[in-house]
Amino acid sequence: NAGVTQTPKFQVLKTGQSMTLQCAQDMNHNSMYWYRQDPGMGLRLIYYSASEGTTDKGEVPNGYNVSRLNKREFSLRLESAAPSQTSVYFCASSEATVREKLFFGSGTQLSVL
Amino acid sequence: QKEVEQNSGPLSVPEGAIASLNCTYSDRGSQSFFWYRQYSGKSPELIMFIYSNGDKEDGRFTAQLNKASQYVSLLIRDSQPSDSATYLCAVTRSNDYKLSFGAGTTVTVRA
Repeated sequence: NAGVTQTPKFQVLKTGQSMTLQCAQDMNHNSMYWYRQDPGMGLRLIYYSASEGTTDKGEVPNGYNVSRLNKREFSLRLESAAPSQTSVYFCASSEATVREKLFFGSGTQLSVL
Repeated sequence: QKEVEQNSGPLSVPEGAIASLNCTYSDRGSQSFFWYRQYSGKSPELIMFIYSNGDKEDGRFTAQLNKASQYVSLLIRDSQPSDSATYLCAVTRSNDYKLSFGAGTTVTVRA
């Protein structure tokens, strides 16, 4: 049972480049999330999807877009990367009964030069 | 004021001692409170949650909640080197299930 799988694990971009972070879960969870983690800032919610077919903005959505492709997959896209988007990105999912219990992927270390 | 505040640490405790971690939150309507543990270079994992005022024990971990003081804490008894990690406090906002996280407290248990 893989849980939440994120790819890639590491990525280096130049300012202005675009990329998509992929996330898939095999736990049949309804809700999925994208967080970023920066030193001294904790985890901040970028976007979330309460269920298949819906997406909503979190605390820090600017510069990002998301797609809930199906129940399993939730991708995060950076259209024009900026140095301020250098961070560790975590995808997470949660079940319907205890939505606050998050299951996290292993993270993506992204550097924007 | 941040929604969830924690002392960043590092908190250094000797093996076998009690580690005490504190967290305060600003939204008086918050209903649910969580502690996640994150080992260096790894992803967070849930270790405790508490909904009601008072104490909740799970093995060597005790979560304490005081809603009047907007304060939640985590005690780790008989601390082990394997408890060395960053502990993230997370709180739900009023009428919302999404979590607001603190920046975390780093704990180092000295053998």
